[in-house]
Amino acid sequence: SAVISQKPSRDICQRGTSLTIQCQVDSQVTMMFWYRQQPGQSLTLIATANQGSEATYESGFVIDKFPISRPNLTFSTLTVSNMSPEDSSIYLCSVKQGMDTEAFFGQGTRLTVV
Amino acid sequence: EDKVVQSPLSLVVHEGDTVTLNCSYEVTNFRSLLWYKQEKKAPTFLFMLTSSGIEKKSGRLSSILDKKELFSILNITATQTGDSAVYLCAVENGGSNYKLTFGKGTLLTVNP
Repeated sequence: SAVISQKPSRDICQRGTSLTIQCQVDSQVTMMFWYRQQPGQSLTLIATANQGSEATYESGFVIDKFPISRPNLTFSTLTVSNMSPEDSSIYLCSVKQGMDTEAFFGQGTRLTVV
Repeated sequence: EDKVVQSPLSLVVHEGDTVTLNCSYEVTNFRSLLWYKQEKKAPTFLFMLTSSGIEKKSGRLSSILDKKELFSILNITATQTGDSAVYLCAVENGGSNYKLTFGKGTLLTVNP
C-alpha cells in the first residue's frame, strides 16, 4: 500500500485566513481525493484532484473556497480559504493506486477555526 | 444520490464477545464496498468487497457482501479492547470518479 504523508497534522487558525494542507505519496497514484469530516459526522468528498488540470468538485463545494492543486502523480494540496468556524473539521487526503484497488487515507489534518 | 446506512450507530460489549455490524446501501453504479476502522483521524483499510457471497477474512475480522439485498456485514469475534473504534462502511461509485460515499459509522466500545 502507498505511504501517505499529510501535513500539518493539526492547526488552529483565525477566521478570515487560509490554510494549505499538503498530501505527499511515496509512489505514483492514479487518483487523489480530498474528504472532510465535520465533528460527529462521517466523511464527505470535497473533490477529486486531477493531475495537470482543474479538480472535480462535489455538489456544495466550490473552487474559490477549496482550491486544489495536483502538479504531479505523487503530490496534492488543498487550501481552505477565508475560513470561518464552520470549516472546523478533519480534512483527509485519499489515494487509489489503480481503478481496482482500495482507497487509502492520510493521517488527516484537524483544523480548528477561532 | 448514493446512500449508506450503518447499524447500530453504537455498541458496547465485553471483551470476548462477538459483534456484527451492518451496512446497507444504494448506489447508482456499484463498484465495491469497503470497510474501514477509524480510531483517531485516519481511517485504516479493512476489507474491499466486490462479489456477493465471498467471505473475506483477516484474523478475527470477516466480512461478506450481498449484492442482491444490498447489504454487507462485518463480524468481529473474540473482541479485544483494541477493537474499540468507529467502523465505517463506504460504497464506491464506478461511474462517478470512483467516489466513496460513507455511512455515519458504528462506534464500538469493548470493555475489559
